[in-house]
Amino acid sequence: AQSVTQPDIHITVSEGASLELRCNYSYGATPYLFWYVQSPGQGLQLLLKYFSGDTLVQGIKGFEAEFKRSQSSFNLRKPSVHWSDAAEYFCAVGFTNFGNEKLTFGTGTRLTIIP
Amino acid sequence: NAGVTQTPKFRVLKTGQSMTLLCAQDMNHEYMYWYRQDPGMGLRLIHYSVGEGTTAKGEVPDGYNVSRLKKQNFLLGLESAAPSQTSVYFCASSFGGQPFAFFGQGTRLTVV
Repeated sequence: AQSVTQPDIHITVSEGASLELRCNYSYGATPYLFWYVQSPGQGLQLLLKYFSGDTLVQGIKGFEAEFKRSQSSFNLRKPSVHWSDAAEYFCAVGFTNFGNEKLTFGTGTRLTIIP
Repeated sequence: NAGVTQTPKFRVLKTGQSMTLLCAQDMNHEYMYWYRQDPGMGLRLIHYSVGEGTTAKGEVPDGYNVSRLKKQNFLLGLESAAPSQTSVYFCASSFGGQPFAFFGQGTRLTVV
């Protein structure tokens, strides 16, 4: 069965600093990979997704993620964070097997932004 | 276009009471899901449905039942609520063959 690891429970960065959130997965093949963001009291919003092709994917709100097959990683990055980026971020993997499409989530990384 | 709508948004139950959470989507998605979110555990799949009239168990199905009588609705039932079911519940939907999903705003359930 697939699994997702987000090793950082909580990260604090200064506004304007760069950000990298780590995500590692375990799966027998290349899965579909996703990053979701959850603002306080809100549902999950899809930031970006990787299905195939270019391993560097661009998402909304200035985020990007890079798929590295050799490291089984899909880390999320942003060159300069804004106070509004404070939220919880979830990495997820999914696969398509007819009748069995579903997502497996990591435990999340809470991002705090300091002025 | 409402997307995925969950009803209610908040609820407090006493142990042993029953309730039904409603999820409605207006995107004509075939697949629908119920997740629960608990601190430090991410989202865990309770049940899911790949089409009208079908349901299947997810990772943590015990204590819950579901029904998908109409394509646009997916109901999650708690027959006898327990404090361990205190959680935030999220509904999601997706097209068949597309493993990413659109999420509702969540239902915060407290069982006392």
